[in-house]
Formats: sequence, structure tokens, C-alpha cells
Amino acid sequence: DAKTTQPPSMDCAEGRAANLPCNHSTISGNEYVYWYRQIHSQGPQYIIHGLKNNETNEMASLIITEDRKSSTLILPHATLRDTAVYYCIVRPGGGNQFYFGTGTSLTVIP
Amino acid sequence: GAGVSQSPSNKVTEKGKDVELRCDPISGHTALYWYRQSLGQGLEFLIYFQGNSAPDKSGLPSDRFSAERTGGSVSTLTIQRTQQEDSAVYLCASSYHSRPQGGYFGPGTRLTVL
Repeated sequence: DAKTTQPPSMDCAEGRAANLPCNHSTISGNEYVYWYRQIHSQGPQYIIHGLKNNETNEMASLIITEDRKSSTLILPHATLRDTAVYYCIVRPGGGNQFYFGTGTSLTVIP
Repeated sequence: GAGVSQSPSNKVTEKGKDVELRCDPISGHTALYWYRQSLGQGLEFLIYFQGNSAPDKSGLPSDRFSAERTGGSVSTLTIQRTQQEDSAVYLCASSYHSRPQGGYFGPGTRLTVL
């Protein structure tokens, strides 16, 4: 039970912002939203995480709706190197397991 | 290097043989996870170790799969009597338990069962 729903694929023009949505309508109050990405043939890479406030780091921004039932990962200026599968994950309460769904395959187009 | 390392990077075996996959987590990380990723699929949780607590084995697909973590550090995932459907990339990750930071993943072991 991955607890998240993401579109299977998206395209984005190089230099544009990539906005990747995620639904997590059953999220509990103490559960964080995490985003990872996996570039072909590599291990997953941590991007960002948040609880209820919007977060920003050097890689991306995370916007979480007020009801916390959905979030959006924003890559502000997508590059060809951002082509990857992006996983939105909710960490179940009481443990440290990260259950990955099938993610969104983002293709950045020149 | 200070990252998670895994060995071997590639393993080809015959159906019915046993295999052992090794994970060296980041020093000081108390939590260690194993996942596998079949071709074109998302990541599948296998097992989770946290300190000296009993591991969470809820993701192991069958009793042919087992894992241990010695001394709270290195972990070995063992697959007995391998089957072709076991072919996948097996990923290990580690993290600090006390922080909500995401786990750091190793490069994985690609297992091919002929």
C-alpha cells in the first residue's frame, strides 16, 4: 500500500518549471511527505521532504496543500539531467519504512 | 567514500542456487532497508532494521528470502533456491533513525537468475 497516487509520466520543456503532482488523501497527521528521484540505472536520490509547511532547497520546492491531501514538487528550471522517475512517498507513522509507488517518469525535452 | 556501498554490483546465477548480497551502510546510521526493483517497476520494500530491534520482515516475498545485520552495521540479504522471478536490482539504504531525513541509497546489486 503505497498511499500515494502520481501520474505515470510527464514531459517538460528544458528551462521551464516542472510541476509534479502527488495525491496522498489518507495521510495521517504525523506523516511526512518525501520526494525521491531515480535516474536510469542509479539508486534513488533524496530530493526534499515536508510535513505541512512549504519547503525549498537547492534542488526543488515542495508545496503541500493546507489539508495535506496533495502536494506538488517543483523543479524551477528543468534541465535534461532532471529526466528521471520521481517518487512521492508518505512515511507511515511508527516506523521508518519508505514505501515507493511506481512514480512519475519525467522527461525533459530540449 | 562515505556513501552506502553494495556488493557485488552484478550477480548472475543459475536457477536453484543460493546468493548473498552485501550492504555496507553509512557509518553511524542505525536504520537499514532493503528494496528490490524489477524491470520497469517501482521500488518494493523488503526488510527494515533499526538498531537492536527485531527487523520488520513484512516485505519479504517468501521464506526463501532472509536478511541479517551483524553488529548493527553490515547487512546480508540471502536468497535461497533462486527463481527467475527473483531477477531484479536489489537496493540497500540507510538513515539516522532520529531524523526524518530520507534514506541514502546504495548503487544496488543487479541479480540475474538464468
